[in-house]
This record gives sequence, C-alpha cells and structure tokens, in this order.
Amino acid sequence: GQSLEQPSEVTAVEGAIVQINCTYQTSGFYGLSWYQQHDGGAPTFLSYNALDGLEETGRFSSFLSRSDSYGYLLLQELQMKDSASYFCAVRRNTPLVFGKGTRLSVIA
Amino acid sequence: DAGVTQSPTHLIKTRGQHVTLRCSPISGHKSVSWYQQVLGQGPQFIFQYYEKEERGRGNFPDRFSARQFPNYSSELNVNALLLGDSALYLCASSPKAGTGIINTQYFGPGTRLTVL
Repeated sequence: GQSLEQPSEVTAVEGAIVQINCTYQTSGFYGLSWYQQHDGGAPTFLSYNALDGLEETGRFSSFLSRSDSYGYLLLQELQMKDSASYFCAVRRNTPLVFGKGTRLSVIA
Repeated sequence: DAGVTQSPTHLIKTRGQHVTLRCSPISGHKSVSWYQQVLGQGPQFIFQYYEKEERGRGNFPDRFSARQFPNYSSELNVNALLLGDSALYLCASSPKAGTGIINTQYFGPGTRLTVL
C-alpha cells in the first residue's frame, strides 16, 4: 500500500518561518511534490524533489530524504496570503498520490 | 497563456443521474489526469490519459469513465450518481505521462459537483 502523513493543522505568526513535514510509504517512488490550495481554489504547484537535498524557490524551500522517506516544505517570511492548505504528493509511475493536507493559518 | 480550463464550474444533480465534466489542457500538453477531492481530503487519482490512451486508473467503480479527444481535451463521465460522488473534480495536465519535473501536473479550477 501507500500512505502519506502530514500534520493536519499548523498555526504561525506573520513574518515567521514554518516547516510542514511529510512522511511517506509507497512503492515505485520517483519524487515528492508540494501543492498549495486556497479555499475554493485549485491546487497550485510549488516544488518537486526527485533527489535528496534542498530545493529553494523564493520564500519556499522543499527538502527530501529518500532513505528516511521524509520531506518537508519550509515557508519563510510568512504572509497572510500564505494561509492555505498544503499537500505533499508522491510521484509514482503515473498518478500523484496526495496526503490529506496541512491547513496553515497565518496570524498577525 | 491559458491554463487548464474546466466546465462547468458548478453542477447540481440528483441521485441516479449521469454527469459529464470537461477539461481542456494547457496548450502543448498531451496528458490529462482526473482527480476527485472530497472536502477536507487530498485529491484522489481517478484516470490518466496520454495521446488518447488510458495510462492509469485509480480505485474507482466502473460508473466512472473518461476519454481523451484528438485535440487532447478530455471528458469524465459518471453514471448512476450517488450522494458520495459529491466532490470537487479536478483535471490536471502535463506535457507527457511520465515522471520528472518536466511532467509536473498543473491543475484546473475544478468542477464542484453536488449530488442531492
């Protein structure tokens, strides 16, 4: 089988840094993707890690450790507009397998 | 550049009815995938099509079917609707059906289906 675990909710202060962890169990692993979804909106692609290490894109960074079946999304300089749900998703041979999502609330 | 487009935006049906959802991929993308997202959950894979051929199928009953047209647009059909089919149906497109950053899936705005 396959499963992904991520915290259901995280709250952080505007301007702070927050890390959202994701652990996975799956066969046929090719990489880990992260998506952001605002209420009522579509998932928006943030990052993809195929190899171990850190990928940085502006305020967002994503990390992968294949040996630990673990990854995280790091959001820096949090803004109110970052309040959304964040999903990790495993890339397999064809489909994306999504976690249940982490709801991030940014407070002033 | 136009992103993935889906129609209709919202749809209300009653149990037992049939529904057809439509998706147009990003220009140049030849693969379309369909996902179902129930409130409070992550998207769940239904189908993937590439070059009009089915390339993957998730764990959904035979009431769900799909097809891809020569212009790479796609339809998702659901027969004999159940209350549990109420969800956001998302379409995602990618250049091909393979892996790698080049085949990142980009999602459309979705169709919100309500079954009464």
